[in-house]
Amino acid sequence: EDKVVQSPLSLVVHEGDTVTLNCSYEVTNFRSLLWYKQEKKAPTFLFMLTSSGIEKKSGRLSSILDKKELFSILNITATQTGDSAVYLCAGGIQGAQKLVFGQGTRLTINP
Amino acid sequence: KAGVTQTPRYLIKTRGQQVTLSCSPISGHRSVSWYQQTPGQGLQFLFEYFSETQRNKGNFPGRFSGRQFSNSRSEMNVSTLELGDSALYLCASNDQGSTGELFFGEGSRLTVL
Repeated sequence: EDKVVQSPLSLVVHEGDTVTLNCSYEVTNFRSLLWYKQEKKAPTFLFMLTSSGIEKKSGRLSSILDKKELFSILNITATQTGDSAVYLCAGGIQGAQKLVFGQGTRLTINP
Repeated sequence: KAGVTQTPRYLIKTRGQQVTLSCSPISGHRSVSWYQQTPGQGLQFLFEYFSETQRNKGNFPGRFSGRQFSNSRSEMNVSTLELGDSALYLCASNDQGSTGELFFGEGSRLTVL
């Protein structure tokens, strides 16, 4: 059965800290690894990773995929209170729109 | 360009009733998928439609059904509602069929009493 596991499930840090969120996956016919941010509404897209070892960056956020170890990380540097959210990792499957989601990491940034 | 629109945003039903949720994808997107989000199970895939055809279905009972219309709008229906069906139902659309990221709507929050 396809599975995506995120860790930690919850994280509380101070503004300005750097955080690393982890995602491991076991997905048959794996196509891509996606990261989403969810506040009290729709999940918003952050990154899609398909190639191993190539870092994707967007401002203070970056992510990388290791297809050998079936692992991805999401880094957030110089965190701000607006980064507080649930971060979702999902495995995409070849030939389908189906995503297999992890449980999410609830990140809280304290001022 | 308008995002994915879901209606209704909130609804309350009682056990045994049925419910229909609607999703209008981003203009030009032909793929629509549905997910159920609960605190215990997280986001779980329900089904996926492309050009009016169901391409994939998740592990949900037959009480959960859906369809897609020629204008790409989609509906999902849950019959004989159970307490455990209380959840946020999210619709997502995509413009590339089976590639690319999904764009999510804000969801329909269903409470079953």
